Amino acid sequence: GAVVSQHPSRVICKSGTSVKIECRSLDFQATTMFWYRQFPKQSLMLMATSNEGSKATYEQGVEKDKFLINHASLTLSTLTVTSAHPEDSSFYICSARDPRGYYGYTFGSGTRLTVV
Amino acid sequence: AQRVTQPEKLLSVFKGAPVELKCNYSYSGSPELFWYVQYSRQRLQLLLRHISRESIKGFTADLNKGETSFHLKKPFAQEEDSAMYYCALSGHNNQGGKLIFGQGTELSVKP
Repeated sequence: GAVVSQHPSRVICKSGTSVKIECRSLDFQATTMFWYRQFPKQSLMLMATSNEGSKATYEQGVEKDKFLINHASLTLSTLTVTSAHPEDSSFYICSARDPRGYYGYTFGSGTRLTVV
Repeated sequence: AQRVTQPEKLLSVFKGAPVELKCNYSYSGSPELFWYVQYSRQRLQLLLRHISRESIKGFTADLNKGETSFHLKKPFAQEEDSAMYYCALSGHNNQGGKLIFGQGTELSVKP
């Protein structure tokens, strides 16, 4: 139980375009989801907390207009990287906490974004 | 503020040797501590959480509130233990339950 599905796993886009990444909780409802960014050989950096039916909470230094988060249902959160630039290239990972408690936080498989 | 510190970036041991991956935290309250493992090309997996007090794959971790530590230990390392290990903390109160990670420690177990 407690599976989070993330799509796509890999995307290449041109500078200036926008890319949407989806995160779904498959067997539980998640009122809160989390978005992380991971650079090569580095740890996960929390970008924002996605709240179902309300605005996301962004961490300090994260541009909310650059990284748009929508959490329209209890099983889906999306992260849209707007007007992407090469420096946005990174590994993006979503996570959700299973309210049933046992599994703690569950993570998606991540999305490798490359902006060319 | 929440903070997790893993002082060792890389830990290299021989098979059968004991392993201790250090984790210290800073949090003004009662945190929930986790250890996650990331094998090559795989997603993060939960290894341990302090409230469950169980042993997974031979690993154990004890929360020491006095020393604000949650070190991960295994008496006899195996080659398949080679991976990235992340210590993480979740607070409560106004923190929204977010999970904050340490810098990670790469464990390399040599034959």
